[in-house]
Amino acid sequence: QVQLQESGPGLVKPSGTLSLTCAVSGGSISSSDWWSWVRQPPGKGLEWIGEIHHSGSTNYNPSLKSRITMSVDKSKNQFSLKLSSVTAADTAVYYCARVVVRGVISGMDVWGQGTTVTVFS
Amino acid sequence: DIQMTQSPSTLSASVGDRVTITCRASQSISSWLAWYQQKPGKAPKLLIYKASNLESGVPSRFSGSGSGTDFTLTISSLQPDDSATYYCQQYSNYRTFGQGTKVEIK
Repeated sequence: QVQLQESGPGLVKPSGTLSLTCAVSGGSISSSDWWSWVRQPPGKGLEWIGEIHHSGSTNYNPSLKSRITMSVDKSKNQFSLKLSSVTAADTAVYYCARVVVRGVISGMDVWGQGTTVTVFS
Repeated sequence: DIQMTQSPSTLSASVGDRVTITCRASQSISSWLAWYQQKPGKAPKLLIYKASNLESGVPSRFSGSGSGTDFTLTISSLQPDDSATYYCQQYSNYRTFGQGTKVEIK
């Protein structure tokens, strides 16, 4: 079955760029599914960041859109997130997730374990 | 933007109780709604998609209903393992999560 694993620096300096990668195993990133990022600040709820399809199509959270770049690397079966101009408010656990398509979009059925990113000078 | 409002924020119930969580959308989302369960330190788990479809492997005591703007997640007989925070998520227009409902066992 499909598994996801996030990786990237755990510490980012204010005004810097947060960069994370999600490796997909047990399945192909070139399926009909979408690939998403969700974050959760300490003690708070879930926030959708955005999603990408292997075709390169993206959907971004309007509140973060100006700072987000997502990409897919089909050769490595992975997708990535870059969030620029970070502040302490971007400190969170970042999850990658699969948005499964079963004829229609059917929710986020596979999640990575999450990686903690702290914005800290 | 579509806002999702869950109620209550916290609920405490006994094992065997029937529990209902409500989620309201700020505009119609048809049936494009999912429910997730999250336990401390863990990733969310998909329970229900398209408002009422039970995800494979999820116990049948979980059910979802609703369409348009009003939705419910019901646990027919609360079990100790159900202690968690539950989130609704709309996927009609981008994606938005509700603020979460923490379910505690008395």
